[in-house]
Amino acid sequence: EAGVVQSPRYKIIEKKQPVAFWCNPISGHNTLYWYLQNLGQGPELLIRYENEEAVDDSQLPKDRFSAERLKGVDSTLKIQPAELGDSAVYLCASSLRTTYEQYFGPGTRLTVT
Amino acid sequence: AQTVTQSQPEMSVQEAETVTLSCTYDTSENNYYLFWYKQPPSRQMILVIRQEAYKQQNATENRFSVNFQKAAKSFSLKISDSQLGDTAMYFCAFMKRPQGAQKLVFGQGTRLTINP
Repeated sequence: EAGVVQSPRYKIIEKKQPVAFWCNPISGHNTLYWYLQNLGQGPELLIRYENEEAVDDSQLPKDRFSAERLKGVDSTLKIQPAELGDSAVYLCASSLRTTYEQYFGPGTRLTVT
Repeated sequence: AQTVTQSQPEMSVQEAETVTLSCTYDTSENNYYLFWYKQPPSRQMILVIRQEAYKQQNATENRFSVNFQKAAKSFSLKISDSQLGDTAMYFCAFMKRPQGAQKLVFGQGTRLTINP
């Protein structure tokens, strides 16, 4: 069974440019999470989806970040415009709605120059 | 809000030794899960072990065991017979336990190095 897939693995952009990250969860997992992991820190939740509905987006900086999960499967996280402080690893995870275990993807490492 | 604190930024031991990683947390919830996750250089978070707060018995998974002290809000991880492949970042994490999936609240992590 395939795990959580994320792309790209690495992205380098200049500040003020837009960037997008893509996540494909494990088949059948209706809950999807985006976490932000700053260097040397633990991940922090940005947004959680139940199917296509965002049920927890309180930590998502909505002035520059947006996310969508069309048809309740794949998800895209976008930053526009990117700032130097956005350099971090963006992790996607998925789970069944009824269970505790989250399965993580390999993350996208973003560098903003 | 819940907080998780790992007070050991880095630890290093020799292969085959036993090592204990510390974690404390703060919550007003009575029903929750605690986890230890491993993050190797590949960045993929891997679940190591889980503890349910209502269970008094400490969880064990092969060489990994926990010491769960609910009253003290302490949750340490013991790795026995450490192996080179155990080298990684280790994160302690908290999850509330209502029905259904919830977010994980992570600590800052401990970088563990196993030396040959």
